[in-house]
Amino acid sequence: GENVEQHPSTLSVQEGDSAVIKCTYSDSASNYFPWYKQELGKRPQLIIDIRSNVGEKKDQRIAVTLNKTAKHFSLHITETQPEDSAVYFCAASKGTGGYQKVTFGTGTKLQVIP
Amino acid sequence: DAGVIQSPRHEVTEMGQEVTLRCKPISGHDYLFWYRQTMMRGLELLIYFNNNVPIDDSGMPEDRFSAKMPNASFSTLKIQPSEPRDSAVYFCASSFYLGTVNTEAFFGQGTRLTVV
Repeated sequence: GENVEQHPSTLSVQEGDSAVIKCTYSDSASNYFPWYKQELGKRPQLIIDIRSNVGEKKDQRIAVTLNKTAKHFSLHITETQPEDSAVYFCAASKGTGGYQKVTFGTGTKLQVIP
Repeated sequence: DAGVIQSPRHEVTEMGQEVTLRCKPISGHDYLFWYRQTMMRGLELLIYFNNNVPIDDSGMPEDRFSAKMPNASFSTLKIQPSEPRDSAVYFCASSFYLGTVNTEAFFGQGTRLTVV
């Protein structure tokens, strides 16, 4: 089955700095990579996703990059703000030949220091 | 749509008691997932359904756990008997499958279970 590793487990940055979270996956057939943000006491919510036919995707201050050859993908948050403080989860799944379960990374606790 | 609805939000029960968690997925979604979240193990997929049929229950920790989906708008996760190590937040999520690609999973607000 798929194995997703996520680093770092905790990350502290100053407000305005950038934050980068990295994930690796094991199944080369995985082709859908969502990122979820979970604020304290709340549900995980999708913030951005990327499919294997693109290498980068941006949405305002967040971006995700994908390197299929190396089997890793990263989340980049620029100009961090205190409200970015949360736990971020990466995930990987296969989308062809029938639905495959999404495998989550272990999460990164991001703290943005004002 | 109100999103994925879970009940109860909080449950405190004594060891050995039966616990039933409930979930109403988003209308039109054909996949339903049950996850367990703990500090030690993160987000673990317990079981998922497609069109009300269980597809993969390999994540169910043991026979004390069971899940059902009698129709497209309702699912339950039952623990019998409950144990203190079952204490966790249980999330239900739903999504739909776009032919050859997955789509995002929408999570419910979770049920915080405490077994004393």
